[in-house]
Amino acid sequence: AQSVTQLDSHVSVSEGTPVLLRCNYSSSYSPSLFWYVQHPNKGLQLLLKYTSAATLVKGINGFEAEFKKSETSFHLTKPSAHMSDAAEYFCVVTTNTGNQFYFGTGTSLTVIP
Amino acid sequence: DTGVSQNPRHKITKRGQNVTFRCDPISEHNRLYWYRQTLGQGPEFLTYFQNEAQLEKSRLLSDRFSAERPKGSFSTLEIQRTEQGDSAMYLCASSPPRSSYNSPLHFGNGTRLTVT
Repeated sequence: AQSVTQLDSHVSVSEGTPVLLRCNYSSSYSPSLFWYVQHPNKGLQLLLKYTSAATLVKGINGFEAEFKKSETSFHLTKPSAHMSDAAEYFCVVTTNTGNQFYFGTGTSLTVIP
Repeated sequence: DTGVSQNPRHKITKRGQNVTFRCDPISEHNRLYWYRQTLGQGPEFLTYFQNEAQLEKSRLLSDRFSAERPKGSFSTLEIQRTEQGDSAMYLCASSPPRSSYNSPLHFGNGTRLTVT
C-alpha cells in the first residue's frame, strides 16, 4: 500500500529564514511524488513533482524537494521564506498505475514578519 | 487553458435536502477526480473517472452519494438526504491522459457545503 506521512502538522519560520517541510513515503515500488500548496479557501496548486530523471526537483516560487530513496523521504525546502508562503502544504504519492493519489494530512506553514 | 471550474463555490442546505455540484475539467483531460476535504485534513479520495467510465469509488462514498460524467466531459456529484457530517469542501481535479508516469492533478477551487 502507498502512503505519505507529513512529520509536522505546523511549522513556523521567520520571514527570510529557510523552510523545511518533511514528508516520508511508503511504497512497494518506485513512486511518483508531488507537493501541493493550498491557500485559504482556494484549491490546491502543484508546487513540484518528482520524476525519476533527477532526485533534486525544482518547483515554483523557489521551492525544491529532494527524493531520497534510502530514507524514503521527499522533504520540501526553500532558502528564504516569504510572507506569501504562509499556507497549507500537502505531500502526495501515487499508485503504480498513476491513477490514484494519496494525500498526507498537511503541514500548516506560518511565516512570522 | 481555463483551469478546472467548480460550481457553485458555496452551498448552504438544510439537513435532508439533496444537493448537486458541477465540475468542468480542463478540456483535454480525460481523467477526473472528486475529493472531500474537512477542516484541518488532507483531501480524501471519493471517486475517479476515466472518460465517462467511473473506475473507482471510495468506501467513503455511501449510497447517498452519486457521481456521473456523461460524455466524458463535465461531472456532477449529487448528495441525497444530506447530513451535517457531509459539511466539507468538495474538490474536483482533472489530469491528462496517462502518457507519463507522473501526470499531476489540476484542482478547481472547490465547492464548500454547509449542512444546517
